[in-house]
Amino acid sequence: QVQLVESGGGVVQPGRSLRLSCAASGFNFTNYGIHWVRQAPGKGLEWVADIVFDGSKQYYADSVKGRFTISRDNSQNTVYLQMNSLRVEDTAVYYCAKHLRGYYFDYWGQGTLVTVSS
Amino acid sequence: EIVMTQSPATLSVSPGEGVTLSCRASQSINSNLAWYQQKPGQSPRLLIFGASTRATGIPARFSGRGSGTEFILTISSLQPEDFAVYYCQQYNTWPPLTFGGGTKVEI
Repeated sequence: QVQLVESGGGVVQPGRSLRLSCAASGFNFTNYGIHWVRQAPGKGLEWVADIVFDGSKQYYADSVKGRFTISRDNSQNTVYLQMNSLRVEDTAVYYCAKHLRGYYFDYWGQGTLVTVSS
Repeated sequence: EIVMTQSPATLSVSPGEGVTLSCRASQSINSNLAWYQQKPGQSPRLLIFGASTRATGIPARFSGRGSGTEFILTISSLQPEDFAVYYCQQYNTWPPLTFGGGTKVEI
């Protein structure tokens, strides 16, 4: 069955960096783009970034552009989110998600919590 | 950026009742709309895509309709497990993909 497992969250000070991982299994990873979506505590969902199936293109929300970098290793079935210059407002649960034919999400991971605090 | 607006923010209902949730797009998104259900402490679950097509395993009491800028999610005869937050998401024009603010369906 399809599984997406995030890891790498934790508590970090403002201005510091963190790298999240999303390990995928149960589907042909190299055929699908993968997205990161975040949810601040008690708030709604915010799309963060995505990377196409072969890693050749990446797209970002304006709120993270220039600070976050999404990448993938198709040999390891893993997508990464490198988060630099973290801000308090980046505090959220970060989900990775797989999209289907359209850019809607048929599978989500369980999420990993990132807390940015001094 | 396409702004998605959901109403109402909260809906108080009783089990067995039917509910209608609204989602409006700031410009036409054709039928490129998805609905998700999220329960506390859980990841979102895909309910509807293409505005009206139920995802695999979603009960028939969930139905979606609409196109352009106005969309509706209907849940007929609410079950106890349906109390949750519901989000709409447009995927017609991106980046960015955008979500509505959510509607909480509570008892």
